[in-house]
Amino acid sequence: ETGVTQTPRHLVMGMTNKKSLKCEQHLGHNAMYWYKQSAKKPLELMFVYNFKEQTENNSVPSRFSPECPNSSHLFLHLHTLQPEDSALYLCASSLNYNEQFFGPGTRLTVL
Amino acid sequence: GESVGLHLPTLSVQEGDNSIINCAYSNSASDYFIWYKQESGKGPQFIIDIRSNMDKRQGQRVTVLLNKTVKHLSLQIAATQPGDSAVYFCAERNAGGTSYGKLTFGQGTILTVHP
Repeated sequence: ETGVTQTPRHLVMGMTNKKSLKCEQHLGHNAMYWYKQSAKKPLELMFVYNFKEQTENNSVPSRFSPECPNSSHLFLHLHTLQPEDSALYLCASSLNYNEQFFGPGTRLTVL
Repeated sequence: GESVGLHLPTLSVQEGDNSIINCAYSNSASDYFIWYKQESGKGPQFIIDIRSNMDKRQGQRVTVLLNKTVKHLSLQIAATQPGDSAVYFCAERNAGGTSYGKLTFGQGTILTVHP
């Protein structure tokens, strides 16, 4: 285990649903990240938080809304998603932008 | 823009052989490089890293080589085992500007080890 947990592990939602992904790290790290992993594409960085402050928004559509209440928790709120948003969503954390430790991911399917 | 790419998308080896996975990067300002392993159904797992002031670093059964002249990174796995079968990603860290600390990942190489 990497010390980064994600829930749920699998999620199926309709395009009109609202759901949230949760990430928690127990490593004392200050930075947390959301990535999207689609088949046959490199990992795509979505958001970066450092000490609860968002430092990167990689041109992500507004239907994805991150929230970082503290350095240990990170959420990704989802609403009115599209089928092409189906992917594996990975959370990671790091200490001072060094190696990132990843969670197991949430497999999201949008119907 | 910056990019990280892999020369070979798939690599098949026999158990016990040595494996070499290659990666090209384009941002000469990158200061830190990481290799990750991702098994089916899991998130990427850190294997080994190297900073730009080094050209070689060894771990347990793994060695990373960095050639900054040609912007090339490689991962060598000694005595490859079936448990090494996975997708391997290289990543580079942006060393400056507004995107400091951002990792850019390659597409990944699928390593298959045959018993």
